[in-house]
Order: sequence, then structure tokens, then C-alpha cells
Amino acid sequence: GQQLNQSPQSMFIQEGEDVSMNCTSSSIFNTWLWYKQDPGEGPVLLIALYKAGELTSNGRLTAQFGITRKDSFLNISASIPSDVGIYFCAGQYTSGSRLTFGEGTQLTVNP
Amino acid sequence: DGGITQSPKYLFRKEGQNVTLSCEQNLNHDAMYWYRQDPGQGLRLIYYSQIVNDFQKGDIAEGYSVSREKKESFPLTVTSAQKNPTAFYLCASSINRINGYTFGSGTRLTVV
Repeated sequence: GQQLNQSPQSMFIQEGEDVSMNCTSSSIFNTWLWYKQDPGEGPVLLIALYKAGELTSNGRLTAQFGITRKDSFLNISASIPSDVGIYFCAGQYTSGSRLTFGEGTQLTVNP
Repeated sequence: DGGITQSPKYLFRKEGQNVTLSCEQNLNHDAMYWYRQDPGQGLRLIYYSQIVNDFQKGDIAEGYSVSREKKESFPLTVTSAQKNPTAFYLCASSINRINGYTFGSGTRLTVV
């Protein structure tokens, strides 16, 4: 099945650093979603983006829906140890259609 | 509170045995999905169902079977034909007018 290109695959950072990850696709999407998966748990929705160019924040997290509708990025500012986990992007063409997931970015934060 | 429940959290089985993983949701969601996740890897779709009594194969359906007799329930059976069944299994659900999926907390299956 189709996959999104998500990068980087993994990141090792120090507490307090900012983090940036992104997803690109050959297809356009009308919705971009960012999920976080804590170790041993299911993914939880962090941010949903519905419009090209949209920039949305959720606390220390900021995500943007690319103008071309083929990409999105997620920034985390001032990282803390509980930010550890796998971050997934997902694209959705219409409400109710299947999500296409990226491969995930494994984030490790050293105290 | 509404949610999606997977049970059990950890499951051990002997090689050659079939095993069924439970997924129940009380969110009144129409669609349900099963994903497999291997260490350090992304989510791979096994089966999905958009309506009761109907389901479709995903990308890696071989060795798995599902049923959707009730809207709330979408059990996954890992059969002895699945060559490498040890993995983390995630169930999700969605409703047509809302974007995105709600995931369960997963079942870790170990076959020895």
C-alpha cells in the first residue's frame, strides 16, 4: 500500500532542544494528521490540519499543512523527557477514507 | 467514557495454535481497522471493515481472519498459517464525518 515519506527515521536529542520532522507524499491530501505513540500504547492524535497553508499549535507542538497539499511538518519546542515516543504523520483524502501513514519518527530525549 | 478496548494486553501462544484478539468500541463508529506493528517499524494494515457484515483485506491479510457481526466488535484471529505472528497489534475505529482514527492500546502477541 501507499506510504508517506517521513523523516527523519529517528532522532536523539537533549532535553530543551527543539525538534522538527516532516512528511512528503506524491499524492495530495485534504487532511493531515499527526499522532504520537508512547511505548507499548496505541497512537494518540496530536494535531489535525484541514486546509493548505494552515499552521496549528497544541502547547509546545506546531504543525503546518503544506501549500502544495503534499507535505506537512511537526515542530516540538523545548523538548522534555515525556516527549519520547514514535510520531506518525497520516494523510486523508476525504472524511471517512482510509488513512495513509508515514513510517514514523522515533524520538529519544536525553535528560 | 467512550473508547476502544483491546484485550488482552499481552498474549502468549504456542506455535501452530490459532489465537483471537479482541477489539470492542462504544464510540458508535462505523469503520474498524486492524494494524500490525513490528519493532522499529510503521503500521501495516491487516483488515478493515466499513460496515457490519462486510470487511476487506488490507496490505498483509495472509494468515489472518476477521469477522464483523456487530458494529461494536471486530475480532482478529491470527491463524497457524501466519508465518511470523509475534508482533504488536493495534485496533482502530473511525466515523465518516470525523477525520482520523481512534486507536486502542494494543495487544502484544508472542508466539513461542
